[in-house]
Amino acid sequence: SSELTQDPVVSVALGQTVRITCQGDNLRTFSASWYQQKPGQAPVLVISDNNNRPSGIPDRFSGSSSRNTASLTITGAQAEDEADYYCNSRGSSGDHVVFGGGTKLTVL
Amino acid sequence: QVRLVQSGAEVKKPGASVKVSCKASGYTFIAYYIHWVRQAPGQGLEWMGWINPHSGGTNLAQKFQGRVTMTRDTPISMAYMEVTRLRSDDTAIYYCAMGGAIKLNYWGQGTPVTVSS
Repeated sequence: SSELTQDPVVSVALGQTVRITCQGDNLRTFSASWYQQKPGQAPVLVISDNNNRPSGIPDRFSGSSSRNTASLTITGAQAEDEADYYCNSRGSSGDHVVFGGGTKLTVL
Repeated sequence: QVRLVQSGAEVKKPGASVKVSCKASGYTFIAYYIHWVRQAPGQGLEWMGWINPHSGGTNLAQKFQGRVTMTRDTPISMAYMEVTRLRSDDTAIYYCAMGGAIKLNYWGQGTPVTVSS
């Protein structure tokens, strides 16, 4: 099992707000990044260092972190946001990388 | 713009080796780590390790130590990842990605590797 835990499936109504979470003890110390992966495509970084949005990523994507939980929030979800979302951070050993198990987001 | 272009799909028999390449462009190659991540069919992302192109130093996930080698050729901005003693459960898409020690900024298109007798 992964050191980072994500809900496997989350759904949101079109235009509504959804929060995807990532839990792990490592997150008390290290920041998290978030990746979006659409079917048949490579992942894309959407949030880094808990709350930084790379250029080109829509501002409806935001991130936050509190205690052992990092969150990705999509405010006003669009149909094109339907995808798998993965968090990552440092592992418990400190020098390794770990990914969460992923969350499949469905936009209804 | 940053681009990572990987080599093409591979089909290998159990026990063989595979070497995947990753050609970087659009940034200073030695300034960022190259990570390798794999994704088995229908599964999540699994980090394999990174190489520091500046020093050549590597950091591999424990499960891949002894079976995976990461190298680079800095004059041509290429990174390579070789897996030996392939098994059927190594069937996956293998991605290279550039970034810091943890954050993966840009990803290659992926290289499907199928291990089958």
